[in-house]
Amino acid sequence: QVQLVQSGAEVEKPGASVKVSCKASGYTFTNNHLHWVRQAPGQGLEWMGRIDPSGGGTTYAQKFQGRLTMTRDTSTSTVHMELSSLRSEDTARYYCARDVFIGTCCKGVDVWGQGTTVTVSS
Amino acid sequence: DIQLTQSPSFLSASVGDRVTITCRASQGISNHLAWYQQKPGKAPKLLINVASSLQSGVPPRFSGSASGTEFTLTISSMQPEDFAAYFCQQFHSFPITFGQGTRLEIK
Repeated sequence: QVQLVQSGAEVEKPGASVKVSCKASGYTFTNNHLHWVRQAPGQGLEWMGRIDPSGGGTTYAQKFQGRLTMTRDTSTSTVHMELSSLRSEDTARYYCARDVFIGTCCKGVDVWGQGTTVTVSS
Repeated sequence: DIQLTQSPSFLSASVGDRVTITCRASQGISNHLAWYQQKPGKAPKLLINVASSLQSGVPPRFSGSASGTEFTLTISSMQPEDFAAYFCQQFHSFPITFGQGTRLEIK
């Protein structure tokens, strides 16, 4: 079955970086764009950006420009999300999610990873 | 950025009630809108795509409609498993944005 499995919880200090991975299975990895969405405790959903696993192209929300990097490894069907210069406001659950559209972006997301909790605390 | 304003933010309802949630976009987004349900501690689940297309496996008591920049999610008869948070999302242009959410509680 189609699955996105994310790496485990992280605890980081302010100013550090965190890298979260998302391994895809059950479908052709390069067919669908992948998004990263985060949710602070008790809050709503915030889109961070997306990556095209085929060509590696990315689009980031302006809010994260300069400290967000998304990469992919087609040999392992894995995408990575690295967020640097962490602050307490980055404490959230981070989700990867597969776009419905095949070959292009975007049209809603139909498969979500289980989420990865990132805690930023001194 | 396209703003999505959801209303209401909180709603108390009873099993069997008909419930309507509205999402208003700050500019035209065609039908490029999706609705998600999220239960505590879980990832969101896609219910409706392109404003009115029911996702496979979603019960037909859920429906979506659009009129200009106003989008509506309707649950025709609330079931116990429907008490959750609901979010709209636009994918018309980057940055993709979400509504602030509607929390459905049992009355």
